Amino acid sequence: QVQLVQSGPDVKKPGASVKVFCKTSGYKFIDYSVTWVRQAPGQGLEWMGWISPFNGQTNYAQKFQGRVTMTTDTSARTAYMEVRTLTSDDTAMYYCARLSMFQGPDFWGQGTRLTVSS
Amino acid sequence: DIQLTQSPSFLSASVGDRVTLTCRASQGISSQGIASFLAWYQQKSGKAPKLLIYGASTLQSGVPSRFSGSGSGREFILTISSLQPEDFATYYCLHVNSYPHPLTFGQGTRLEIK
Repeated sequence: QVQLVQSGPDVKKPGASVKVFCKTSGYKFIDYSVTWVRQAPGQGLEWMGWISPFNGQTNYAQKFQGRVTMTTDTSARTAYMEVRTLTSDDTAMYYCARLSMFQGPDFWGQGTRLTVSS
Repeated sequence: DIQLTQSPSFLSASVGDRVTLTCRASQGISSQGIASFLAWYQQKSGKAPKLLIYGASTLQSGVPSRFSGSGSGREFILTISSLQPEDFATYYCLHVNSYPHPLTFGQGTRLEIK
């Protein structure tokens, strides 16, 4: 079955960087893009971007361009997202999901809770 | 980019009720064939979102048939025909835009027990 398993919770100080991983199984990794969505406490879902493991193409939400980098390791079937120059506004749950361009994100990771605090 | 506005933001209902949630787009949503690039998700507290409906009206595998989706163009509706206790959650609509495929979420409708 399709599964996406994310890295565990993390605590960072303002100004630091974080790299979250999303390890996939149960489907052909290069056939689907991986998208990242975050959710601040008590808030709605915010799309961050996607990456195609097939060719490395990315599309970032304008808000995150220049501060977020998404990568993949096809041999490890894993997607990564790095967020730099963290502030308290980046405190959120971060989700990865398999992305079908017509269906939307159809299978989701369990989420990675990031806390940014001094 | 297309913006999605969901209404109501909050809805209180009882088990057995029929409820309709609306998602309105700032522009007409593109489609493939007759199906629009519009999806609905359910999110329970502390959990990842779950895909319910895609292509505006196609039920995702394993989703109960009491959920249905309809609409096209700028207005889309999620209907739950008879609310069950496990349906109390927050619901989001999502649009996958045309290339390069940015995604847009609605702000959500929180459905609570009356």
